[in-house]
Amino acid sequence: GAGVSQSPSNKVTEKGKDVELRCDPISGHTALYWYRQSLGQGLEFLIYFQGNSAPDKSGLPSDRFSAERTGGSVSTLTIQRTQQEDSAVYLCASSLMSGGGEKLFFGSGTQLSVL
Amino acid sequence: SQQGEEDPQALSIQEGENATMNCSYKTSINNLQWYRQNSGRGLVHLILIRSNEREKHSGRLRVTLDTSKKSSSLLITASRAADTASYFCATVNAGNNRKLIWGLGTSLAVNP
Repeated sequence: GAGVSQSPSNKVTEKGKDVELRCDPISGHTALYWYRQSLGQGLEFLIYFQGNSAPDKSGLPSDRFSAERTGGSVSTLTIQRTQQEDSAVYLCASSLMSGGGEKLFFGSGTQLSVL
Repeated sequence: SQQGEEDPQALSIQEGENATMNCSYKTSINNLQWYRQNSGRGLVHLILIRSNEREKHSGRLRVTLDTSKKSSSLLITASRAADTASYFCATVNAGNNRKLIWGLGTSLAVNP
């Protein structure tokens, strides 16, 4: 079936506005991750959902960031009162356990630009 | 914080040459994975090597793992212009098999 889908592909917003980013994982994948990547940098872990367990929110940079996953499928990442330093590519990934490890399938990301 | 460190940070080679990238990590791992990223967007899984494996092949890719040195290498043979991308290693720590720790990546440019 389809891969991980993220929307929007690009988002330009004004400082102080709220934004909502969406991720549709691969059907049947129980784990879902959000990462942030600034230009030319590595991946910064934000939050992890696994089934019905409490999410691992240890990577969220501030209380302006929140995420939810409804029905164990679609996830939304919300950034309130956006700041210019929030500008980055936000990547979502879902996972399928692969023989003793975890192989992630990534969406194409949302490029967020805060003016 | 990131655990993996890729080396070199950037690599430029001619088409047909081999490219070698290295990754070092700090703690005991369950497995190590390599991913490729084109144009700063979604990453694509390339290969996974478990802690009890020493070498793995997939097409033109060869990955080695040395747990005593806590390092891995990714070799791309007979490189093509289409291999131009950033390559990231990620580790799954032993005892914590649900979260990957990412390196900062190696930027590979293959010149035609």
